[in-house]
Amino acid sequence: AQTVTQSQPEMSVQEAETVTLSCTYDTSESDYYLFWYKQPPSRQMILVIRQEAYKQQNATENRFSVNFQKAAKSFSLKISDSQLGDAAMYFCAPTYYTGTASKLTFGTGTRLQVTL
Amino acid sequence: DAGVIQSPRHEVTEMGQEVTLRCKPISGHNSLFWYRQTMMRGLELLIYFNNNVPIDDSGMPEDRFSAKMPNASFSTLKIQPSEPRDSAVYFCAHGRAENTEAFFGQGTRLTVV
Repeated sequence: AQTVTQSQPEMSVQEAETVTLSCTYDTSESDYYLFWYKQPPSRQMILVIRQEAYKQQNATENRFSVNFQKAAKSFSLKISDSQLGDAAMYFCAPTYYTGTASKLTFGTGTRLQVTL
Repeated sequence: DAGVIQSPRHEVTEMGQEVTLRCKPISGHNSLFWYRQTMMRGLELLIYFNNNVPIDDSGMPEDRFSAKMPNASFSTLKIQPSEPRDSAVYFCAHGRAENTEAFFGQGTRLTVV
């Protein structure tokens, strides 16, 4: 079983600044993927970025990047040049393949506020 | 590609009534997940299917909950009888088999009064 810890229930960042959301997880799997999802007030779950655990290079997607530390089981999300539209709940989700499906386990989320 | 479609978007029902939530997944994806989201417990995986077959229902909270996937393009989650503590947002998500992201529907907000 996997456990996921997001230790920051709420974060705040000023527009155009950078913020980092933390996530740690516990897994006995060696091959897995990790995702960050964003949930705005519309409640739609939107994929932000993905990281393959076998890759050492950190994933980057425009203003979003991750710091993946496999040995430490840490997977933080950095948002650069924050925009008002980034305000949302952010969920860290490691996933592993069960042999039949990829099973995601979600953290409790971090609510990000973006201020002017 | 219309994405994962859930219906209804909102449901208000009285305690004791049967509730059926519906999901139309994306074609070409063979895994389907039902999640429940509450403030207290966050996102919980209730059950998932692979190729229309239920694989793991260990997250289903009680026998009052049941899920079916009669074909690749339709799934239901039923609660009978419903209770106020079942009030939550229920998500259906679809994915491919190997280590890929899940695509979520917009969820059904269920309120049991």
